[in-house]
Amino acid sequence: EDQVTQSPEALRLQEGESSSLNCSYTVSGLRGLFWYRQDPGKGPEFLFTLYSAGEEKEKERLKATLTKKESFLHITAPKPEDSATYLCAVQALGNTGFQKLVFGTGTRLLVSP
Amino acid sequence: EAGVAQSPRYKIIEKRQSVAFWCNPISGHATLYWYQQILGQGPKLLIQFQNNGVVDDSQLPKDRFSAERLKGVDSTLKIQPAKLEDSAVYLCASSLDSFNTGELFFGEGSRLTVL
Repeated sequence: EDQVTQSPEALRLQEGESSSLNCSYTVSGLRGLFWYRQDPGKGPEFLFTLYSAGEEKEKERLKATLTKKESFLHITAPKPEDSATYLCAVQALGNTGFQKLVFGTGTRLLVSP
Repeated sequence: EAGVAQSPRYKIIEKRQSVAFWCNPISGHATLYWYQQILGQGPKLLIQFQNNGVVDDSQLPKDRFSAERLKGVDSTLKIQPAKLEDSAVYLCASSLDSFNTGELFFGEGSRLTVL
């Protein structure tokens, strides 16, 4: 069964204090790994897609990396506006032959000024 | 570009009552998804449509949940009768197709409270 585990569940940082979020996965036939950001009361918003081990993507203060078993979302010098829940999802082949996304439970990030 | 539209945003019902949620995806997106997100959890796929055909409904509780996508555009998700454990946010998402899932575009969700 395809599984995605995120840690920590919650993380509190001071503004400017860098850290990393972890996403470990078990999936048969990984097609891609996705990071989404979700603000309270909103739907998830796409951040990155990673397809192969060693790949890295960057966007402002965020950098996502991928290995064969896990992905990290590095946050450098975070600001209060980076506070959100960060969701990891793996793209897997469903039973019907179509692709589907399986999400983890997310990491709630709070950045204090 | 207009995003994914969902309604209603909020709904409160008694258990055993019925409820329906509506979704209008981004124009031109062939694939439409309904996800259930219980508080503190990640989204769980309920059903996935490719145009107006169902390609995955393996996690849809079919004794109480139903969904349709008429003419391959708008979709409706219905719950009848509702249970307490159905309290959640129901997220609709769309993507260009199911073969290269790529980026999913989500609506703001419909929050259901079952009393």
